[in-house]
Amino acid sequence: NAGVTQTPKFQVLKTGQSMTLQCAQDMNHNSMYWYRQDPGMGLRLIYYSASEGTTDKGEVPNGYNVSRLNKREFSLRLESAAPSQTSVYFCASSFSQETYEQYFGPGTRLTVT
Amino acid sequence: GNSVTQMEGPVTLSEEAFLTINCTYTATGYPSLFWYVQYPGEGLQLLLKATKADDKGSNKGFEATYRKETTSFHLEKGSVQVSDSAVYFCALNTGFQKLVFGTGTRLLVSP
Repeated sequence: NAGVTQTPKFQVLKTGQSMTLQCAQDMNHNSMYWYRQDPGMGLRLIYYSASEGTTDKGEVPNGYNVSRLNKREFSLRLESAAPSQTSVYFCASSFSQETYEQYFGPGTRLTVT
Repeated sequence: GNSVTQMEGPVTLSEEAFLTINCTYTATGYPSLFWYVQYPGEGLQLLLKATKADDKGSNKGFEATYRKETTSFHLEKGSVQVSDSAVYFCALNTGFQKLVFGTGTRLLVSP
């Protein structure tokens, strides 16, 4: 049981390049989330998916798109990376939106130059 | 709006010392409150939670009590270990699992 996995662990992009961060969970959870973590800012919600087939914006969605590919996978895409998107990105999942515990992946450290 | 304020870190302690990490919140309604812990190189893990006023959450020797009158949820541990060195995040739930996190407090415990 791997829990929540994320790829890649590290990535360096040039301004304007695009990339997709991958996230998968094997816990049969319905809800999945993408956060970014910046120094002095805590974690901020980018997008979430309450269930397969639905996605909604969080606190900081600008510059990102998401896809809930199936129940297991939830990807985050940066179409045109900007230096302000340099951050650590965490994916999380929970059984439902009503349950309190979210399980987090190990994170992807992204640097945009 | 909803927000969480944590004490600035790092908090530096010797092994077996008493730990307090302060957390206060602003929220509409009656949120649920959480402490998450992030060990180096890992994602966050739920440490403990409290869902209503006067509830005490506890886990692994850590405790926190939901104080509605002071809007606080301070984390305490009676005797810290080196293995407790991590970053601790206070968070609240504003409904539909939209967690609002504090900025995190780094704890460093030396032998």
